[in-house]
Amino acid sequence: QVQLQESGPGLVKPSETLSLTCNVSGSSFYSGNYWAWIRQPPGRGLDWIATIYHSGTTYYNPSLKSRATISIDTPKSQFSLRLTSVTAADTAVYYCVRERYFDDERNFDYWGQGILVTVSS
Amino acid sequence: QSALTQPASVSGSPGQSITISCTGSSSDIGAYNYVSWYQQHPGKAPKLLIHDVSDRPSGISNRFSGSKSGNTASLTISGLQAEDEADYYCSSYTRSRTRVFGTGTKVTVL
Repeated sequence: QVQLQESGPGLVKPSETLSLTCNVSGSSFYSGNYWAWIRQPPGRGLDWIATIYHSGTTYYNPSLKSRATISIDTPKSQFSLRLTSVTAADTAVYYCVRERYFDDERNFDYWGQGILVTVSS
Repeated sequence: QSALTQPASVSGSPGQSITISCTGSSSDIGAYNYVSWYQQHPGKAPKLLIHDVSDRPSGISNRFSGSKSGNTASLTISGLQAEDEADYYCSSYTRSRTRVFGTGTKVTVL
């Protein structure tokens, strides 16, 4: 059974860096599985942040590209997100997600439970 | 990139059918058959309902169906049930190799 679990601080100060890690179990890091971060501000919709493949290939939301970095540690079955210079607008539930990526299939099929990160002094 | 456009809310009575639209552009929905739909209950993570326009993952009820015409995708829920009351989001892959979500639709069962 595929499981994803986010970890990291729940409170980050403005202008500092948000760092989150996702531990993955029950899934290969290869074979068409990409790995993504998606966030959801309180009471609002979903916002895709970034996606990474085990090869290191990355894709970013243009609106966050200058501040976001997604990385992967395949031996540890982990991938991570760093978001610099955070503001209150970055307060959200952050989900780590498995993305299926084949010639005939693209979707987010397994989601972590989410972690609420609040940006406040 | 701009979010895909969904109606803010849709409602229906038990047993009825409802349809949620998701409008994008020739750079996303119109470019590929990579539209997916997600259901989110309050306080829970989203759940994949439909992928690649009209395919249902294993375990998803056949009351949920998807379609696409041009730059607009649609999710239909037939035989509406109380448990279908939730938020629904569409998503699409784009020509820029990014991913974009819809604005979200709250479904209310009357």
